[in-house]
Amino acid sequence: QSALTQPPSASGSPGQSVAISCTGTSSDVGGYNYVSWYQQYPDKAPKLMIYEVNKRPSGVPDRFSGSKSDNTASLTVSGLQAEDEAHYYCSSYAGSDTVVFGGGTKLTVL
Amino acid sequence: QVQLVESGGGVVQPGTSLRLSCAASGFRFSSYGIHWVRQAPGKGLEWVAVIWYDGSKVKYVDSVRGRFTISRDNSKNTAYLQMNTLRAEDTAVYFCARVGYASSVDGMDVWGQGTTVSVSS
Repeated sequence: QSALTQPPSASGSPGQSVAISCTGTSSDVGGYNYVSWYQQYPDKAPKLMIYEVNKRPSGVPDRFSGSKSDNTASLTVSGLQAEDEAHYYCSSYAGSDTVVFGGGTKLTVL
Repeated sequence: QVQLVESGGGVVQPGTSLRLSCAASGFRFSSYGIHWVRQAPGKGLEWVAVIWYDGSKVKYVDSVRGRFTISRDNSKNTAYLQMNTLRAEDTAVYFCARVGYASSVDGMDVWGQGTTVSVSS
């Protein structure tokens, strides 16, 4: 049950695209197509942005997309907007009905 | 509207117990699994436990197994986290979240606002 690895920070200018990586192992990210991404503003609850690697819940802008290759999943935010500045966390199914989160990435819109 | 509301947090001494509650409304509670996720001050999210929609299965992160117990009462639309033998490292905001999709326990689509637990002597 080791945490997934995310870069501590990422940044981009308005209108640009930025990708945030989430690296695990063959026991979690690489073993299942069950990766989720959450957006969290300071002192707020997380919000689900992507589930099952690349599916968007209703109401999430299509500027947010997810993908996965081997043991690494990625969240791409296109057409960056000021409101996208937040922390982003990935999570993955880790077998035996357990879940593991990444350490989180602070996205800054320059 | 679909909502989860946590309660029961507080300041306690090491070695003591606390029970958190997660009250659901706006959806058929008995059809969904429930997670507890915590966030230590200034840190990231940590998955703590999950309970199946009917309470038939529960799972825990290694660091709380044997000390914490997750349960639910579908007649009261409420899930619980009983925390015993609390340690300083259990200090965190505790969120409950709904298992959103039948395909996997991953994917938490509804979250509560969190309740704060502080363990200090």
